[in-house]
Amino acid sequence: DAKTTQPPSMDCAEGRAANLPCNHSTISGNEYVYWYRQIHSQGPQYIIHGLKNNETNEMASLIITEDRKSSTLILPHATLRDTAVYYCIVRVGVNDYKLSFGAGTTVTVRA
Amino acid sequence: GAVVSQHPSWVICKSGTSVKIECRSLDFQATTMFWYRQFPKQSLMLMATSNEGSKATYEQGVEKDKFLINHASLTLSTLTVTSAHPEDSSFYICSAADAYNEKLFFGSGTQLSVL
Repeated sequence: DAKTTQPPSMDCAEGRAANLPCNHSTISGNEYVYWYRQIHSQGPQYIIHGLKNNETNEMASLIITEDRKSSTLILPHATLRDTAVYYCIVRVGVNDYKLSFGAGTTVTVRA
Repeated sequence: GAVVSQHPSWVICKSGTSVKIECRSLDFQATTMFWYRQFPKQSLMLMATSNEGSKATYEQGVEKDKFLINHASLTLSTLTVTSAHPEDSSFYICSAADAYNEKLFFGSGTQLSVL
């Protein structure tokens, strides 16, 4: 699986958009970009995933560059409850359930 | 939606004892489950892949005789930490694959403290 690179930490003001970058320059054509988050002392929570088109759901938006070498997770209106570690993971496909977690980005939303 | 139940949420045990952690898929059948370990301020590390009806597949460096995994049914996998020592104290998390709906769900984790 392709490896990902994320900044170790990020601060965000409550109510503002949080833009979380992820580099995956060695991603293969059949690999999806998945985002999970882990709130302290809980299991990871699925956020969103995409292959090459931008995606949006009730939690976030995912912007994938045209060359697919990087992506950005956007939390449109960050709340204090969005404080968590966010993991960007590339997976071969929806049937690839064996996930490798990197260090992720610790996002702190401040009032 | 589908839920994965992990029990217990936390456990404290004496050194040398064994501890069993359960991971259940509540409304779907999971032929494959995964066990992760997470130390403070670190990321999740995959320990093993649990396959229903067959032996688990362990990641390199994980002692299979110490971390016994049993996946006896399509809804239950158990991880037993045998002869636990303080260095086994960690946060253990399971995940279960709902292959039919192509989704992956995580349990809420178990904090193990070995005294």
